[in-house]
Amino acid sequence: QKEVEQNSGPLSVPEGAIASLNCTYSDRVSQSFFWYRQYSGKSPELIMSIYSNGDKEDGRFTAQLNKASQYVSLLIRDSQPSDSATYLCAVIPNTGFQKLVFGTGTRLLVSP
Amino acid sequence: DVKVTQSSRYLVKRTGEKVFLECVQDMDHENMFWYRQDPGLGLRLIYFSYDVKMKEKGDIPEGYSVSREKKERFSLILESASTNQTSMYLCASSFSGTVEAFFGQGTRLTVV
Repeated sequence: QKEVEQNSGPLSVPEGAIASLNCTYSDRVSQSFFWYRQYSGKSPELIMSIYSNGDKEDGRFTAQLNKASQYVSLLIRDSQPSDSATYLCAVIPNTGFQKLVFGTGTRLLVSP
Repeated sequence: DVKVTQSSRYLVKRTGEKVFLECVQDMDHENMFWYRQDPGLGLRLIYFSYDVKMKEKGDIPEGYSVSREKKERFSLILESASTNQTSMYLCASSFSGTVEAFFGQGTRLTVV
């Protein structure tokens, strides 16, 4: 079982819709969770971090964490064509080192 | 702004060559990381360092070594380049005690 799993997509949504991206992780005691956005040919950039159960909102982005079910999700409201990118879920497992373990990413396509 | 700079954007090397990839960060970060990114496999951690002269193996260290002689610089060394090391290489850094990692622009290495 991979440490961090994501559906590779592509996930296609129309402009203005809500995009929902999901991620599951295997290490039950992981404490830190992140969403990175990566445009084609560019390096990843951090868009959200979440550390406790529940929702965390930042503008059009909401991260949701459910530790009991071991999943984390990212909602993008009012999706824009500029949101088209690959979204990487990352987790810091309970290894004692602050190393990020990434999923393979979900490609999001927002059509005008 | 945090700046993580990788020495080359594109690199072409021959099989068997010794290859050096350099990464410099200007934010006094303790942690530095080297990842490689391949289609369908996501970002995989090669090595990381949490202090000068300290290094830890990641998930795929075989065929690589690293050097960290100064806090701001983390070098990835391919001892004898092989075609299966053709990939995008990404350097990242972060403060110890925080987990927001910042990425360099990436080096696309082709081994022929």
